[in-house]
Amino acid sequence: DQQVKQNSPSLSVQEGRISILNCDYTNSMFDYFLWYKKYPAEGPTFLISISSIKDKNEDGRFTVFLNKSAKHLSLHIVPSQPGDSAVYFCAAHGEYRNKLVFGAGTILRVKS
Amino acid sequence: DGGITQSPKYLFRKEGQNVTLSCEQNLNHDAMYWYRQDPGQGLRLIYYSQIVNDFQKGDIAEGYSVSREKKESFPLTVTSAQKNPTAFYLCATTNRDRGPLRSGANVLTFGAGSRLTVL
Repeated sequence: DQQVKQNSPSLSVQEGRISILNCDYTNSMFDYFLWYKKYPAEGPTFLISISSIKDKNEDGRFTVFLNKSAKHLSLHIVPSQPGDSAVYFCAAHGEYRNKLVFGAGTILRVKS
Repeated sequence: DGGITQSPKYLFRKEGQNVTLSCEQNLNHDAMYWYRQDPGQGLRLIYYSQIVNDFQKGDIAEGYSVSREKKESFPLTVTSAQKNPTAFYLCATTNRDRGPLRSGANVLTFGAGSRLTVL
């Protein structure tokens, strides 16, 4: 029972263009959504989060959009850089804050 | 230099052997977690601990055991009962774990991970 789904296993983008990573969820009780970035053989690092009461949160080149009615969120990276090449995980939690649920991840490749 | 130290980075084990993965943190964080990552799957929660001498099972606790005798340390033992132990194991901490209180996103800080291979 995957509560958080990242349906695109990989994405390839040209340097300088926009990268859009998508995430769908099924649990309407989630109230926080997070994005993590992971390089090979390293732990994930936190990128950005959004509360369920908002529809957009921006931090530098990274913007997360939340569409609650569609149970969908997306991470936009503008402009994309080769150093952004990594695996991106979408995650969410609700009232039970310990239970952070992760998607399967999307591999982003930014070509120079 | 605050952080989370996981050791060993790589570990090989024969079938039937128990193995313990170490996780030490100097962030003074209260809560600690163990996750497992498998190819094509998201991170799955094994165990977590909110305070010393207390820990809770996550979604895939079978075949694993933990202890939390000190705030800084949360070792994970992979026992011979774990059917498919080959995976990448990640330890994480957070200082925003206050139960149901809604005080923002529960942002976990992760260690660099330990890769366990069963031969």
